[in-house]
Amino acid sequence: QVQLVESGGGVVQPGGSLRLSCAASGFTFSSYGMHWVRQAPGKGLEWVAFIRYDGSNKYYADSVKGRFTISRDNSKNTLYLQMNSLRAEDTAVYYCAKEAVVPAAPRLNWFDPWGQGTLVTVSS
Amino acid sequence: EIVMTQSPATLSVSPGERATLSCRASQSVSSNLAWYQQKPGQAPRLLIYGASTRATGIPARFSGSGSGTEFTLTISSLQSEDFAVYYCQQYNNWPPWTFGQGTRLEIK
Repeated sequence: QVQLVESGGGVVQPGGSLRLSCAASGFTFSSYGMHWVRQAPGKGLEWVAFIRYDGSNKYYADSVKGRFTISRDNSKNTLYLQMNSLRAEDTAVYYCAKEAVVPAAPRLNWFDPWGQGTLVTVSS
Repeated sequence: EIVMTQSPATLSVSPGERATLSCRASQSVSSNLAWYQQKPGQAPRLLIYGASTRATGIPARFSGSGSGTEFTLTISSLQSEDFAVYYCQQYNNWPPWTFGQGTRLEIK
């Protein structure tokens, strides 16, 4: 079955950097776009970034644009999120999620499934 | 950016009863709306996509309806495992993909 396993979270000081990874298995990783979504403690869900199946296009939330970079290595079935200039408000559980699409309308995609998440804490 | 608004913030319902959760979009999203369930300490799980299509393995007591700007998630007869937080999410206009703030379904 499809499995997504995030790693790389931890405690980092404001202004610091961290790289998250998401290891995928159980599907043809190179055929699907992938998302990062975060959830601050006790708060709701916020989409962070999306990368197309071949890495040709990337999209970011305004809150992270210019600071975060999404990338993928299809040879390793792995998704990444490089996070720089981290702020306290970036503290959250970060989830990776596979895009789900209807073949007749590939532009329309939602999130299914999700990984278990990795916690990033930005604090001095 | 399309803003998604869910109501109520918290819904108290007894087991066996029906629960109705609402989601409103700030502009039309057609039927391009999904619902997710999240239990404490767990990742969200897809319940509904296309406003009314149940995801694989989702029980028939979960149903979605609506189009345009008004959507509803109905749970026909609440089971103990259904008490959780529910989020709606639009995927019609992106980026960004946007979520509602969530409805907490609690035991009455």
